Amino acid sequence: EAGVVQSPRYKIIEKKQPVAFWCNPISGHNTLYWYLQNLGQGPELLIRYENEEAVDDSQLPKDRFSAERLKGVDSTLKIQPAELGDSAVYLCASSRTGASSYNEQFFGPGTRLTVL
Amino acid sequence: AQSVTQLDSQVPVFEEAPVELRCNYSSSVSVYLFWYVQYPNQGLQLLLKYLSGSTLVESINGFEAEFNKSQTSFHLRKPSVHISDTAEYFCAVTKKTSYDKVIFGPGTSLSVIP
Repeated sequence: EAGVVQSPRYKIIEKKQPVAFWCNPISGHNTLYWYLQNLGQGPELLIRYENEEAVDDSQLPKDRFSAERLKGVDSTLKIQPAELGDSAVYLCASSRTGASSYNEQFFGPGTRLTVL
Repeated sequence: AQSVTQLDSQVPVFEEAPVELRCNYSSSVSVYLFWYVQYPNQGLQLLLKYLSGSTLVESINGFEAEFNKSQTSFHLRKPSVHISDTAEYFCAVTKKTSYDKVIFGPGTSLSVIP
């Protein structure tokens, strides 16, 4: 069974440029999460999807960040425009249908973003 | 709101020695507790979890963690570490509800020295 796939693995951009990250969850996992992981810190939730619906986006900075999961499978996270402080690792995770607090989340390898 | 503290940011230990990675949490309600491991250049993987029942939980690779409600702790232990255990370890907590977001600690970097 394939794991969570993310691309690109690394991205270097200049500030004020747009950037997008892509995630394909494990087949059959209807719940998808995007996390931000700063250096030396644990992941912090940005947004959670149940199928194509964003059910928890309270931590997403909506002035510059956006996300979509149009067909309820893969997802894209966008930043426009990027700022120096956005440099971090962006993690995608998925879990089984009917998200519960104890459902195991499966993580992708992440996209490391560097903003110059 | 829940929070997680991992007091040790880095733990160096010699191969075959025992190790304990400390985790304390704060919550006003009952919680589920997790340990995730992140090997270099890989995503996080669930190592073990406490949901209910026995306060001692074990993983398939020799780690164990004990839930201590009175001390609000969930320390991770292994009696004899291997080089392959070198990784970042994250303690995490979430409320016992139908859904609540998982709160991760800052992580502890375990380095096993040959």
